[in-house]
Amino acid sequence: GQQLNQSPQSMFIQEGEDVSMNCTSSSIFNTWLWYKQDPGEGPVLLIALYKAGELTSNGRLTAQFGITRKDSFLNISASIPSDVGIYFCAGQDPGNQFYFGTGTSLTVIP
Amino acid sequence: EAEVAQSPRYKITEKSQAVAFWCDPISGHATLYWYRQILGQGPELLVQFQDESVVDDSQLPKDRFSAERLKGVDSTLKIQPAELGDSAMYLCASSLRATGGKGYTFGSGTRLTVV
Repeated sequence: GQQLNQSPQSMFIQEGEDVSMNCTSSSIFNTWLWYKQDPGEGPVLLIALYKAGELTSNGRLTAQFGITRKDSFLNISASIPSDVGIYFCAGQDPGNQFYFGTGTSLTVIP
Repeated sequence: EAEVAQSPRYKITEKSQAVAFWCDPISGHATLYWYRQILGQGPELLVQFQDESVVDDSQLPKDRFSAERLKGVDSTLKIQPAELGDSAMYLCASSLRATGGKGYTFGSGTRLTVV
């Protein structure tokens, strides 16, 4: 199945730094979702975006639905150790099919 | 908070054996999904149910995989016979309706190891 292009693949940052990751697709989506997955667990939904240009925050997390409907980004401000994990984007196409990104592995160094 | 229940959490099986996973979605969620996640990759859809009907199984290897949701509530995913390449995390998710979005919730998954 299709997978979205997510970058960067991995990040190593100092505690307190801001983080930015993005997701791109060759086709348009109606919904963009951002998930965090801890080792051995299922993905947990962080933010859902439903309209092009939409900017939504959830605490220190902010995500935007790209104007072209083919991309999205996630920012984490003032990172803390518990932000460690793998972040996945997911897009839902007009046929209601979900596709997932390849994941960004985040390591926060105290 | 409502959860998607999956069992078992871990399963080790020998190749050529049969294995089954169970999922109980959030109450009232009509749409149920089975995903396979290989280590280091994102989840890939295997099958999607709307109530008891399969609406998408285009990525399900039907020669060895089967899935059912007989009463439109809980679901079982079976592999027979298991192969080494089937080692992965099998995730179940559910949503109120096919449009997903905020109601798209994952279970904790079943980690399968085929030896």
